[in-house]
Amino acid sequence: AQTVTQSQPEMSVQEAETVTLSCTYDTSESDYYLFWYKQPPSRQMILVIRQEAYKQQNATENRFSVNFQKAAKSFSLKISDSQLGDAAMYFCAYRSKSNQFYFGTGTSLTVIP
Amino acid sequence: DSGVTQTPKHLITATGQRVTLRCSPRSGDLSVYWYQQSLDQGLQFLIQYYNGEERAKGNILERFSAQQFPDLHSELNLSSLELGDSALYFCASSVGEGGFYGYTFGSGTRLTVV
Repeated sequence: AQTVTQSQPEMSVQEAETVTLSCTYDTSESDYYLFWYKQPPSRQMILVIRQEAYKQQNATENRFSVNFQKAAKSFSLKISDSQLGDAAMYFCAYRSKSNQFYFGTGTSLTVIP
Repeated sequence: DSGVTQTPKHLITATGQRVTLRCSPRSGDLSVYWYQQSLDQGLQFLIQYYNGEERAKGNILERFSAQQFPDLHSELNLSSLELGDSALYFCASSVGEGGFYGYTFGSGTRLTVV
Protein backbone atom coordinates (compact mmCIF):
# COMPACT_ATOMS: atom_id res chain seq x y z
CA ALA A 1 0.00 0.00 0.00
CA GLN A 2 1.09 3.52 -0.68
CA THR A 3 2.27 5.60 2.24
CA VAL A 4 2.89 9.30 2.49
CA THR A 5 5.29 10.64 5.08
CA GLN A 6 5.61 14.19 6.31
CA SER A 7 8.51 14.18 8.72
CA GLN A 8 8.05 17.73 9.99
CA PRO A 9 5.06 17.97 12.37
CA GLU A 10 5.69 21.69 12.84
CA MET A 11 7.55 24.38 10.95
CA SER A 12 7.85 28.12 11.36
CA VAL A 13 8.92 30.88 9.01
CA GLN A 14 9.44 34.60 9.27
CA GLU A 15 7.03 36.69 7.25
CA ALA A 16 8.40 37.37 3.74
CA GLU A 17 10.89 34.53 4.01
CA THR A 18 10.90 31.17 2.24
CA VAL A 19 10.06 27.82 3.77
CA THR A 20 10.15 24.28 2.42
CA LEU A 21 7.87 21.51 3.63
CA SER A 22 8.99 17.94 3.06
CA CYS A 23 7.02 14.98 1.81
CA THR A 24 8.11 11.51 0.78
CA TYR A 25 6.00 8.66 -0.45
CA ASP A 26 6.31 4.99 -1.11
CA THR A 27 4.85 3.40 -4.22
CA SER A 28 5.50 0.82 -6.89
CA GLU A 29 3.38 2.65 -9.43
CA SER A 30 4.91 4.70 -12.21
CA ASP A 31 1.94 6.89 -13.01
CA TYR A 32 0.32 8.87 -10.23
CA TYR A 33 -0.57 12.34 -9.03
CA LEU A 34 0.68 14.30 -6.06
CA PHE A 35 -0.99 17.17 -4.28
CA TRP A 36 -0.47 19.66 -1.50
CA TYR A 37 -3.51 20.75 0.46
CA LYS A 38 -3.76 23.54 3.01
CA GLN A 39 -6.06 23.41 6.02
CA PRO A 40 -6.33 26.78 7.80
CA PRO A 41 -8.03 27.18 11.19
CA SER A 42 -11.35 27.36 9.37
CA ARG A 43 -10.60 23.64 8.71
CA GLN A 44 -11.50 23.99 5.04
CA MET A 45 -9.19 21.85 2.91
CA ILE A 46 -7.83 23.92 0.03
CA LEU A 47 -5.89 22.58 -2.94
CA VAL A 48 -2.57 24.39 -3.20
CA ILE A 49 -0.78 22.64 -6.05
CA ARG A 50 -0.73 19.39 -8.02
CA GLN A 51 1.92 17.46 -9.93
CA GLU A 52 1.58 14.68 -12.49
CA ALA A 53 4.29 12.07 -12.04
CA TYR A 54 4.89 11.79 -15.79
CA LYS A 55 5.81 15.47 -15.98
CA GLN A 56 9.40 16.27 -15.14
CA GLN A 57 8.78 19.98 -14.86
CA ASN A 58 8.03 21.12 -11.33
CA ALA A 59 4.60 22.66 -10.81
CA THR A 60 4.32 26.30 -9.77
CA GLU A 61 1.36 28.33 -8.56
CA ASN A 62 2.28 31.92 -7.76
CA ARG A 63 4.34 31.81 -4.53
CA PHE A 64 4.01 28.04 -4.23
CA SER A 65 6.27 25.63 -6.05
CA VAL A 66 7.26 22.02 -5.69
CA ASN A 67 10.49 20.10 -5.97
CA PHE A 68 9.48 16.76 -7.41
CA GLN A 69 12.16 14.10 -7.34
CA LYS A 70 10.55 10.98 -8.79
CA ALA A 71 13.48 8.64 -8.28
CA ALA A 72 13.80 9.70 -4.67
CA LYS A 73 10.01 9.67 -4.23
CA SER A 74 10.15 13.14 -2.78
CA PHE A 75 7.65 15.97 -3.24
CA SER A 76 8.49 19.08 -1.23
CA LEU A 77 6.54 22.33 -1.19
CA LYS A 78 8.31 25.67 -1.24
CA ILE A 79 6.46 28.76 -0.11
CA SER A 80 8.15 32.01 -1.10
CA ASP A 81 7.50 35.44 0.40
CA SER A 82 5.52 33.85 3.23
CA GLN A 83 2.44 35.71 4.35
CA LEU A 84 0.46 35.57 7.57
CA GLY A 85 -2.40 33.96 5.66
CA ASP A 86 -0.15 31.02 4.81
CA ALA A 87 -0.33 29.81 8.40
CA ALA A 88 -2.13 26.48 8.28
CA MET A 89 -1.74 22.74 8.36
CA TYR A 90 -0.32 21.46 5.08
CA PHE A 91 -1.04 17.97 3.83
CA CYS A 92 0.78 16.10 1.12
CA ALA A 93 -1.39 13.63 -0.80
CA TYR A 94 -0.84 10.82 -3.31
CA ARG A 95 -3.45 9.66 -5.82
CA SER A 96 -3.01 6.07 -6.90
CA LYS A 97 -4.03 4.42 -10.17
CA SER A 98 -6.99 2.89 -8.35
CA ASN A 99 -8.16 6.41 -7.57
CA GLN A 100 -7.45 6.22 -3.89
CA PHE A 101 -5.94 9.19 -2.15
CA TYR A 102 -3.42 8.81 0.65
CA PHE A 103 -2.65 11.78 2.86
CA GLY A 104 0.33 12.48 5.06
CA THR A 105 -0.11 13.40 8.70
CA GLY A 106 0.41 17.08 8.01
CA THR A 107 2.84 19.86 8.83
CA SER A 108 1.65 22.78 10.94
CA LEU A 109 3.12 25.99 9.55
CA THR A 110 3.42 29.08 11.72
CA VAL A 111 4.23 32.42 10.13
CA ILE A 112 5.98 34.84 12.46
CA PRO A 113 5.26 38.54 11.86
CA ASP B 1 -17.54 29.00 0.12
CA SER B 2 -16.08 26.06 -1.80
CA GLY B 3 -19.40 25.01 -3.30
CA VAL B 4 -19.44 21.71 -1.41
CA THR B 5 -22.07 21.83 1.32
CA GLN B 6 -21.98 19.59 4.35
CA THR B 7 -24.64 19.38 7.02
CA PRO B 8 -24.75 19.44 9.92
CA LYS B 9 -21.58 21.31 10.90
CA HIS B 10 -21.58 19.85 14.39
CA LEU B 11 -23.17 16.72 15.81
CA ILE B 12 -23.09 15.35 19.33
CA THR B 13 -24.54 11.94 19.97
CA ALA B 14 -24.30 9.03 22.36
CA THR B 15 -22.55 5.73 21.90
CA GLY B 16 -24.64 3.12 20.13
CA GLN B 17 -26.60 5.69 18.16
CA ARG B 18 -26.87 6.17 14.41
CA VAL B 19 -26.31 9.40 12.51
CA THR B 20 -26.47 10.56 8.91
CA LEU B 21 -24.13 13.11 7.43
CA ARG B 22 -25.14 14.87 4.26
CA CYS B 23 -23.08 16.30 1.42
CA SER B 24 -24.06 18.28 -1.66
CA PRO B 25 -21.23 18.38 -4.22
CA ARG B 26 -20.13 21.44 -6.12
CA SER B 27 -22.35 22.15 -9.08
CA GLY B 28 -21.26 20.04 -12.05
CA ASP B 29 -19.19 17.59 -9.99
CA LEU B 30 -20.18 13.95 -10.34
CA SER B 31 -17.80 12.36 -7.85
CA VAL B 32 -18.21 12.49 -4.09
CA TYR B 33 -15.59 11.33 -1.63
CA TRP B 34 -15.84 10.85 2.11
CA TYR B 35 -12.92 11.26 4.47
CA GLN B 36 -12.47 10.89 8.20
CA GLN B 37 -9.97 13.13 9.97
CA SER B 38 -9.09 12.19 13.53
CA LEU B 39 -6.21 13.33 15.69
CA ASP B 40 -4.43 10.00 15.79
CA GLN B 41 -5.25 8.68 12.32
CA GLY B 42 -4.85 11.74 10.15
CA LEU B 43 -6.99 11.99 7.02
CA GLN B 44 -8.40 8.61 6.02
CA PHE B 45 -10.22 7.91 2.77
CA LEU B 46 -13.52 6.16 3.34
CA ILE B 47 -15.39 5.82 0.07
CA GLN B 48 -16.02 7.37 -3.35
CA TYR B 49 -19.13 7.55 -5.47
CA TYR B 50 -19.32 8.60 -9.09
CA ASN B 51 -22.67 9.42 -10.63
CA GLY B 52 -24.50 7.23 -8.16
CA GLU B 53 -22.19 4.23 -8.23
CA GLU B 54 -19.55 3.20 -5.75
CA ARG B 55 -16.11 3.61 -7.33
CA ALA B 56 -13.50 3.15 -4.64
CA LYS B 57 -13.46 1.98 -1.08
CA GLY B 58 -10.92 2.78 1.57
CA ASN B 59 -10.78 2.12 5.29
CA ILE B 60 -14.53 2.22 5.84
CA LEU B 61 -15.90 0.21 8.73
CA GLU B 62 -18.81 -2.19 8.22
CA ARG B 63 -20.83 -0.03 10.63
CA PHE B 64 -20.53 2.80 8.10
CA SER B 65 -22.32 3.01 4.79
CA ALA B 66 -22.83 5.64 2.15
CA GLN B 67 -24.83 6.28 -0.96
CA GLN B 68 -25.14 8.86 -3.69
CA PHE B 69 -28.59 9.84 -4.84
CA PRO B 70 -29.83 10.72 -8.36
CA ASP B 71 -29.50 14.42 -7.57
CA LEU B 72 -25.85 13.64 -6.74
CA HIS B 73 -26.00 14.49 -3.08
CA SER B 74 -24.50 11.88 -0.81
CA GLU B 75 -25.13 10.62 2.68
CA LEU B 76 -22.77 8.87 5.04
CA ASN B 77 -24.50 6.72 7.62
CA LEU B 78 -22.65 5.86 10.81
CA SER B 79 -24.24 3.29 13.11
CA SER B 80 -23.50 1.66 16.47
CA LEU B 81 -21.33 4.65 17.20
CA GLU B 82 -18.29 4.29 19.41
CA LEU B 83 -16.20 6.92 21.19
CA GLY B 84 -13.46 6.35 18.65
CA ASP B 85 -15.72 7.48 15.83
CA SER B 86 -15.44 11.04 17.07
CA ALA B 87 -13.77 12.91 14.25
CA LEU B 88 -14.12 15.48 11.54
CA TYR B 89 -15.84 14.00 8.50
CA PHE B 90 -15.12 15.66 5.18
CA CYS B 91 -16.91 15.36 1.93
CA ALA B 92 -15.13 16.33 -1.26
CA SER B 93 -16.19 16.42 -4.87
CA SER B 94 -14.60 16.43 -8.30
CA VAL B 95 -15.82 16.74 -11.85
CA GLY B 96 -14.61 13.43 -13.11
CA GLU B 97 -14.15 10.00 -11.72
CA GLY B 98 -10.43 10.24 -11.32
CA GLY B 99 -9.89 13.30 -9.17
CA PHE B 100 -6.94 14.17 -11.40
CA TYR B 101 -7.26 17.86 -10.65
CA GLY B 102 -7.71 17.35 -6.95
CA TYR B 103 -10.80 17.75 -4.93
CA THR B 104 -12.98 20.53 -3.66
CA PHE B 105 -13.59 19.92 0.01
CA GLY B 106 -16.54 20.89 2.15
CA SER B 107 -16.01 22.44 5.56
CA GLY B 108 -16.65 19.17 7.35
CA THR B 109 -18.97 17.79 10.00
CA ARG B 110 -17.56 17.60 13.50
CA LEU B 111 -18.94 14.43 15.13
CA THR B 112 -18.59 13.99 18.86
CA VAL B 113 -19.64 10.70 20.39
CA VAL B 114 -20.16 10.82 24.15
